[in-house]
Amino acid sequence: AQSVAQPEDQVNVAEGNPLTVKCTYSVSGNPYLFWYVQYPNRGLQFLLKYITGDNLVKGSYGFEAEFNKSQTSFHLKKPSALVSDSALYFCAVRAVTGGGNKLTFGTGTQLKVEL
Amino acid sequence: EAQVTQNPRYLITVTGKKLTVTCSQNMNHEYMSWYRQDPGLGLRQIYYSMNVEVTDKGDVPEGYKVSRKEKRNFPLILESPSPNQTSLYFCASSISGQVDTGELFFGEGSRLTVL
Repeated sequence: AQSVAQPEDQVNVAEGNPLTVKCTYSVSGNPYLFWYVQYPNRGLQFLLKYITGDNLVKGSYGFEAEFNKSQTSFHLKKPSALVSDSALYFCAVRAVTGGGNKLTFGTGTQLKVEL
Repeated sequence: EAQVTQNPRYLITVTGKKLTVTCSQNMNHEYMSWYRQDPGLGLRQIYYSMNVEVTDKGDVPEGYKVSRKEKRNFPLILESPSPNQTSLYFCASSISGQVDTGELFFGEGSRLTVL
């Protein structure tokens, strides 16, 4: 069975500082990996995905994520956080083969960026 | 505007009173799915549909029904709601259910309370 772990319920960062939101995954075979963001009272929005190729993936709003196969991780990063980045972030995984059409989400990490 | 529309956005009902949450997308997407979001549990898939007349169970299908008679609509039916179905529900769609995609478009969510 595939799974995603987001070990931090909340991450606090000062505006202008770099941020990292952690994600590790478990899946049989190769993974497709995704990050979604949820603003208050809104649905989830796609941020970025890793399918294949370069381990560093760039996405919307200046976010990027690094795929590390040996550590089975896909951490979300941004060089300089903004207060407007405050939201709930979800990591998700999908198996390349054998996983059917199932996209498994983590439990989410609340990012709080303060002035 | 491309969107996934859910109704109602908020609903308070009583145990056993049948209800339907509608979902409609205007992007001609083949794949549609229902998720529920609960604190500490992230998003869990209820049902999904690869195309018209093709539906399948997700992780937590008990107590729910779905149908896909038209490509754009994917209603979620609770035949006899119970308090443990109190949750925030999201409908999502994607161009296709192929594993190399995965960018889901989410509705704004439907907050259901069952008393």
